[in-house]
Amino acid sequence: RKEVEQDPGPFNVPEGATVAFNCTYSNSASQSFFWYRQDCRKEPKLLMSVYSSGNEDGRFTAQLNRASQYISLLIRDSKLSDSATYLCVVNRGNYGQNFVFGPGTRLSVLP
Amino acid sequence: NAGVTQTPKFQVLKTGQSMTLQCAQDMNHEYMSWYRQDPGMGLRLIHYSVGAGITDQGEVPNGYNVSRSTTEDFPLRLLSAAPSQTSVYFCASSSGSGGNQPQHFGDGTRLSIL
Repeated sequence: RKEVEQDPGPFNVPEGATVAFNCTYSNSASQSFFWYRQDCRKEPKLLMSVYSSGNEDGRFTAQLNRASQYISLLIRDSKLSDSATYLCVVNRGNYGQNFVFGPGTRLSVLP
Repeated sequence: NAGVTQTPKFQVLKTGQSMTLQCAQDMNHEYMSWYRQDPGMGLRLIHYSVGAGITDQGEVPNGYNVSRSTTEDFPLRLLSAAPSQTSVYFCASSSGSGGNQPQHFGDGTRLSIL
């Protein structure tokens, strides 16, 4: 079993739809969590950090459930420009070398 | 506002050749790392450094060497290229050693080994 798992998709949704992605992690010692966005053949870019109390950034909402060891990302009012692969990233400990990347979930927003 | 700069962007090598992928950051970040990304897989850590003069192995270090003589630069060396090393390579950096600091990525080197 992979340490960080995501549904690879693709998720094909119409513009304006709400879409949610989940990510599960197996290491209960994981301490920090992020969502990154990766466009085709480009570098990953930080979308948002995920905080224990949940957090929102515009149309994006991230939630963390430590008890069940999963992280979610909700995108409201999807735009064509949201089409990308979304990477769930977990840091096991206090140091950067403990980042573990999920394989990503591909989203296509259709006109 | 360069951030993390990787060179070259593309490279084709023959099996057995060696080469160095360059990575430089201008954000005075202590932590730097190299990842490879293969289709259907997440990014996998090759080597990392928590500061100048300090390097360590990640998940998939075999066939690669690194050094960190300055804070800014973190080159990755392929010792004897193999087709299995065909991949996209990303360099990343983050401030401090705190795991709650996100990583900033270069735009990648696409490497093909024939």
